[in-house]
Amino acid sequence: DGGITQSPKYLFRKEGQNVTLSCEQNLNHDAMYWYRQDPGQGLRLIYYSQIVNDFQKGDIAEGYSVSREKKESFPLTVTSAQKNPTAFYLCASSPAGVNTEAFFGQGTRLTVV
Amino acid sequence: QKEVEQDPGPLSVPEGAIVSLNCTYSNSAFQYFMWYRQYSRKGPELLMYTYSSGNKEDGRFTAQVDKSSKYISLFIRDSQPSDSATYLCAMRGNTGGFKTIFGAGTRLFVKA
Repeated sequence: DGGITQSPKYLFRKEGQNVTLSCEQNLNHDAMYWYRQDPGQGLRLIYYSQIVNDFQKGDIAEGYSVSREKKESFPLTVTSAQKNPTAFYLCASSPAGVNTEAFFGQGTRLTVV
Repeated sequence: QKEVEQDPGPLSVPEGAIVSLNCTYSNSAFQYFMWYRQYSRKGPELLMYTYSSGNKEDGRFTAQVDKSSKYISLFIRDSQPSDSATYLCAMRGNTGGFKTIFGAGTRLFVKA
């Protein structure tokens, strides 16, 4: 089955640690996105990538980093510079010509302990 | 003022009712209008995707866009308990990059 796989489902981070969230898609989609979801707020864009080896900052990129070395993979690193990282993180993808996030993964819930 | 406003609810209806979910927006440049359904602790699922004004129907779901009033709606007919979820509206312009603005979501409960 085609889709987006995010792992892990739950992640715990200690203060000062960097952690990497995985996002893999087998839909052959060009565009991939990372969003953060907090209670009572809409999804906020962290980073997006329209093509391999290229990515752009979203509205809340500070404290996060990404790479897009392969079309199917778009990992997100939450660095120690992100002061409030506890949130639900969602990865999405869309094919060329579709002006929206067509598919989302099941999310990773990150908690700082 | 937020670019997209959506009543958080919760909205509780009996099974079989017609549900109306709404969003207002301020940016007249928005051209693409979407509705997503999100079950608890899951990723959103794209339900409806429309361009510009008008209506679009898909099964029990109807999306309406009124660009003159900057108002979009999602109607659910014959609502079922399985429709209980959070519904997110979202919109995007034709220019300015690949940026979608999401509403905060309306939580819907359909009681059997």
